[in-house]
Amino acid sequence: EIVLTQSPGTLSLSPGERATLSCRASQSVSSSYLAWYQQKPGQAPRLLIYGASSRATGIPDRFSGSGSGTDFTLTISRLEPEDFAVYYCQQYGSSPLTFGPGTKVDIK
Amino acid sequence: QVQLVQSGAEVKKPGSSVKVSCKASGGTFSSYAISWVRQAPGQGLEWMGGIIPIFGTANYAQKFQGRVTITADESTSTAYMELSSLRSEDTAVYYCARDQGYVDTAMARYYYYGMDVWGQGTTVTVSS
Repeated sequence: EIVLTQSPGTLSLSPGERATLSCRASQSVSSSYLAWYQQKPGQAPRLLIYGASSRATGIPDRFSGSGSGTDFTLTISRLEPEDFAVYYCQQYGSSPLTFGPGTKVDIK
Repeated sequence: QVQLVQSGAEVKKPGSSVKVSCKASGGTFSSYAISWVRQAPGQGLEWMGGIIPIFGTANYAQKFQGRVTITADESTSTAYMELSSLRSEDTAVYYCARDQGYVDTAMARYYYYGMDVWGQGTTVTVSS
């Protein structure tokens, strides 16, 4: 099973700032089958990024993903008020599919 | 626009079973993987297993093997997740989610692309 570790656990930033979230895998994620999701309280997760760097439909271009192998990054170039949420990475390259523990981005 | 609509909240006794449904509307059902993901109160996301209706076979996380059964009814575009031998630790919101990938029928293989459509979630509470 591929274990995903996310850092930091909490990121306290102000609107307009840049957010950099990290996701590290215990072994290489095949074909960069890595996704990022955003979740707000009381809501289902929303797919932001798939294939490590492809934005899902309707996702603003301030969200970008990068990385390969075992190290992946989600970057939010300029935080908007609606971006304060919890972000999860997920690998779907091998079974079982696994999620990271999440990074909470909150308002400083 | 595909939508997934799940069945309503459930309250169950320890040791009993629960079956949650997930009905798809507005798009193709059989050719996309459906996963079940749960989230305990204040916790992260946990993949339980999934099914690709056109193939019919389900795949489960080791943690839930023997306790969970995932099925799909192509005639009604509905997926089901049944969890047995419930305990208090199973109290969670259960989500179904559709993967946006595709089927290679020649290779009998599915290519995953991330879960792009989610149900609204079903709260299952296990309490005596």
